Amino acid sequence: NAGVTQTPKFQVLKTGQSMTLQCAQDMNHNSMYWYRQDPGMGLRLIYYSASEGTTDKGEVPNGYNVSRLNKREFSLRLESAAPSQTSVYFCASTVVGEGDGYTFGSGTRLTVV
Amino acid sequence: GDSVTQMEGPVTLSEEAFLTINCTYTATGYPSLFWYVQYPGEGLQLLLKATKADDKGSNKGFEATYRKETTSFHLEKGSVQVSDSAVYFCALRLYSSASKIIFGSGTRLSIRP
Repeated sequence: NAGVTQTPKFQVLKTGQSMTLQCAQDMNHNSMYWYRQDPGMGLRLIYYSASEGTTDKGEVPNGYNVSRLNKREFSLRLESAAPSQTSVYFCASTVVGEGDGYTFGSGTRLTVV
Repeated sequence: GDSVTQMEGPVTLSEEAFLTINCTYTATGYPSLFWYVQYPGEGLQLLLKATKADDKGSNKGFEATYRKETTSFHLEKGSVQVSDSAVYFCALRLYSSASKIIFGSGTRLSIRP
């Protein structure tokens, strides 16, 4: 089925470890986004990529880096994980156009101990 | 800045009750408005949308009307079911090259049989 695929679904890291969350979409969408979801705080934008070759900071970028590898793939990297980065991470994509919503992946549940 | 405010939960109703979840927004332009639903352990799914004033979005028995004069987009359903138990997010999107969506904090809905 077409959509947004995130890997892994679950991950446990020790403080200071690094990892990359992968996201790929097969809908030919231009724009891709990374959000984190924490209890009682809704979704907060970490980074986004309006189009292939561009990336920009969102609301909470500290401690993260991203790479828009090509039109399909947008990865999120934690260089030195901290317990405050324990969260559920969602990738989303969309076409450019105000009438369209996002298509979301199923999420990565990350725990940093 | 642009923002979305929705009623805090949790909201608990009996099956077949009438549902309203309030949502108001602040935006500098003319946003598109969305309701997303998140079932346990899953990503967000687009429930309905409206792209201009007085538009009514509808899906699966849910409705919401874009009210520019009151900057509101309240979600309603005439008769809820146990399967409607989920977290509901109101969101807006302003047209720009980045096409970012701003989410409310979410409202958890629980339906009793």
